[in-house]
Amino acid sequence: DIQMTQSPSSLSASVGDRVTITCRASQSISHYLNWYQQKPGKAPNLLIYGASSLRSGVPSRFSGSGSGTDFTLTISNLQPEDFVTYYCHQSYNFSTFGQGTKVETK
Amino acid sequence: QLQLQESGPGLVKPSETLSLTCNVSGDSIRTKSYYWGWIRQAPGKGLEWIASIFYSGSAYYNPSLKSRITISVDTSKNQVSLKLRSVTAADTAVYYCARQHAGSTSDTSAYYELDYWGQGALVTVSS
Repeated sequence: DIQMTQSPSSLSASVGDRVTITCRASQSISHYLNWYQQKPGKAPNLLIYGASSLRSGVPSRFSGSGSGTDFTLTISNLQPEDFVTYYCHQSYNFSTFGQGTKVETK
Repeated sequence: QLQLQESGPGLVKPSETLSLTCNVSGDSIRTKSYYWGWIRQAPGKGLEWIASIFYSGSAYYNPSLKSRITISVDTSKNQVSLKLRSVTAADTAVYYCARQHAGSTSDTSAYYELDYWGQGALVTVSS
């Protein structure tokens, strides 16, 4: 099984900040890494697929990078609606999610 | 606009079988570029992938749940179904169905991302 280690589990930031969330796979997953945003009580929403491709309609302040085992999600110019939880997802071999990162207001 | 809607009993007794259906509207599940998956989320916890299935019936399962799962498709009803046997309180969760982009020879931009999700169905296991 491929394990995904996502960090940090939570972070504190302010509107306008730039934040970075990382995900590390237990083995190489090429570019098969996706990022989701989840608002309380709602289903996850796809932000980034293939490590760095921005889904249509997702604001450009979201970006992803990485390949192999190490990946990052960066949110530039944090907006009030961005203070929610984010998950990475490897889809190289079956599917595994990271533990999630909750972005909180400082 | 593609929509997915989960349905099923909200309460299941321990040792019984959890049964859920995902009704897909706005597109046919007989599309060669997509799998249809189930993911769950225990209260206050993270996401756990359960299984995914192609319209042909080809399926793959989370190894940790495989022995208890049946996933199936009904193309005539445009539905995907999940059965989870011998449930315990640990199976209490919101269960989501989602479309998974598998791609094809003419659609090479796929990374098995989960691009559309249902709103989720809460299933509680309790006597």
